[in-house]
Amino acid sequence: DAKTTQPPSMDCAEGRAANLPCNHSTISGNEYVYWYRQIHSQGPQYIIHGLKNNETNEMASLIITEDRKSSTLILPHATLRDTAVYYCIVRVEDDKIIFGKGTRLHILP
Amino acid sequence: GAVVSQHPSRVICKSGTSVKIECRSLDFQATTMFWYRQFPKQSLMLMATSNEGSKATYEQGVEKDKFLINHASLTLSTLTVTSAHPEDSSFYICSVDRAYGYTFGSGTRLTVV
Repeated sequence: DAKTTQPPSMDCAEGRAANLPCNHSTISGNEYVYWYRQIHSQGPQYIIHGLKNNETNEMASLIITEDRKSSTLILPHATLRDTAVYYCIVRVEDDKIIFGKGTRLHILP
Repeated sequence: GAVVSQHPSRVICKSGTSVKIECRSLDFQATTMFWYRQFPKQSLMLMATSNEGSKATYEQGVEKDKFLINHASLTLSTLTVTSAHPEDSSFYICSVDRAYGYTFGSGTRLTVV
């Protein structure tokens, strides 16, 4: 079973920051938080991952709370191409990736 | 990053026939690959872990005699859906585990008629 809870859907205006929350209250000390997204009829795409510290790359930022029980994925300037299902996953390195239901993000023009 | 190629992207087959789906890791030698299945409007479900040179490991509830997995080299894993039925129609996706997480193929949409 997935160890994360995400809202089923969210809307965001084009050009604004999209903030996608994820709860993982039972996360273990050695589990990482990963984010993937799946654009319709494609394979999932890796976005970012982190353990404790906040992370940023060319796609997004990941903010993890100090107690590590929740995190937020931030897409700084959402575009229509960011419309996708976003999956938050917790896993120990080298462990299998189990997908939950994710958040369907709609970017509104 | 790693590139994972899946073939075919779409396939239609008759009920009772078998279909083979290929997954290639183009720039990474993968001792392990993963196969997922996704039904419409649902999330991805892990079916099995493909191990190079040894038997695949199947998730609970997945019929290993129906979904045959072969991982004969470090760059190729195949999934064969045997005696396909309409309920096997789905989106099948493979992946390779890299240091930063999985890289996924583009998927194969199987329709059984």
